[in-house]
Amino acid sequence: ETGVTQTPRHLVMGMTNKKSLKCEQHLGHNAMYWYKQSAKKPLELMFVYSLEERVENNSVPSRFSPECPNSSHLFLHLHTLQPEDSALYLCASSQSLSTDTQYFGPGTRLTVL
Amino acid sequence: KQEVTQIPAALSVPEGENLVLNCSFTDSAIYNLQWFRQDPGKGLTSLLLIQSSQREQTSGRLNASLDKSSGRSTLYIAASQPGDSATYLCAVSGSNYQLIWGAGTKLIIKP
Repeated sequence: ETGVTQTPRHLVMGMTNKKSLKCEQHLGHNAMYWYKQSAKKPLELMFVYSLEERVENNSVPSRFSPECPNSSHLFLHLHTLQPEDSALYLCASSQSLSTDTQYFGPGTRLTVL
Repeated sequence: KQEVTQIPAALSVPEGENLVLNCSFTDSAIYNLQWFRQDPGKGLTSLLLIQSSQREQTSGRLNASLDKSSGRSTLYIAASQPGDSATYLCAVSGSNYQLIWGAGTKLIIKP
């Protein structure tokens, strides 16, 4: 595997379910990001990790919980979501927490029923 | 607060035409501006990155320009092909790592 991978690619869950999204980067980068992409809206930055430490949490509801166990892996734990949370969730990485180019995974298409 | 706007939201042109996509931003104090491409069901691919000190960048049939003073960037695509059909996003970065994104232009190239 090369680049940034995300699993699952598609996820349908009920509002009471607990699920997790996984992101893995094979680029040796030190920074990782979670974005939310809703239809016809700009990407929204959710969380940022640098060297496994969270450096940004852009007022994201607590029903989204990130985890970064090492510099190559990033998780987004989901619990008690709402239908309006349905979106494409994108993971990205960059060499460092700077203005370096970010490399994106294919995303997880999440549908909350 | 930085805002990024992309107009039009959608564009359809015949194959072979040259075309221009537009991106505007409200705060000229940027570090760089990037153009990305997004294909359906796929993530984003970085196309061009222009540093604030640069006026343009070129890659193959793509040319991106930057005019910081007027808060504008354009992405020029020469001799368009059906494979160019995608959504094109621009993003600007300020003094930190955060990218501020436009909503994108959906481009369709008709064979």
